[in-house]
Amino acid sequence: KNQVEQSPQSLIILEGKNCTLQCNYTVSPFSNLRWYKQDTGRGPVSLTIMTFSENTKSNGRYTATLDADTKQSSLHITASQLSDSASYICVVRENTGFQKLVFGTGTRLLVSP
Amino acid sequence: GAVVSQHPSRVICKSGTSVKIECRSLDFQATTMFWYRQFPKQSLMLMATSNEGSKATYEQGVEKDKFLINHASLTLSTLTVTSAHPEDSSFYICSARGPHPYRGLGEQYFGPGTRLTVT
Repeated sequence: KNQVEQSPQSLIILEGKNCTLQCNYTVSPFSNLRWYKQDTGRGPVSLTIMTFSENTKSNGRYTATLDADTKQSSLHITASQLSDSASYICVVRENTGFQKLVFGTGTRLLVSP
Repeated sequence: GAVVSQHPSRVICKSGTSVKIECRSLDFQATTMFWYRQFPKQSLMLMATSNEGSKATYEQGVEKDKFLINHASLTLSTLTVTSAHPEDSSFYICSARGPHPYRGLGEQYFGPGTRLTVT
């Protein structure tokens, strides 16, 4: 069964600190992997998208990595800000005719002052 | 990037009434639209998929007679929750997918969500 697992489930860090969120997946065949940020009461917003051949991609203070061999991805947040408090969702797209999205359960990040 | 809007952003309705939620792709034609439901502290759960001009495909366990989906044009899909009950209270998110610029299927873009509260 295609699954996406994220860890930790929740995380509290101090403002200014860095953190890394993990995503392991079993989705096959693989098309791409996206990290989304979802603020409370809002829809998901894409942070990064990575295909099979990409190892690292950055978007400002967000850096995503992908190891397609071990089927692992991480999202590193540098110099966290209070506005980074949100849920971060890892989503893998199947490389099938329907291109279904498989969602992780998310990591809830709280950045405290 | 592509923009998807939803209306309303919040709605409160009484038990037994129906409520309609609109989803629009603002700057691209969405060949496929998706409706998700999200309960507190949980991830998005796909409810149904609709292609323009055809009947929606519902996920297992989702009542098609309760959640009516209409995808009448390439830029508009509606979800109608009929005879709403308090357990239908949730966050509903739509997503739209257009054609890939070169081949195959494009990416999905998410709307901002609609908070439904049934009293």
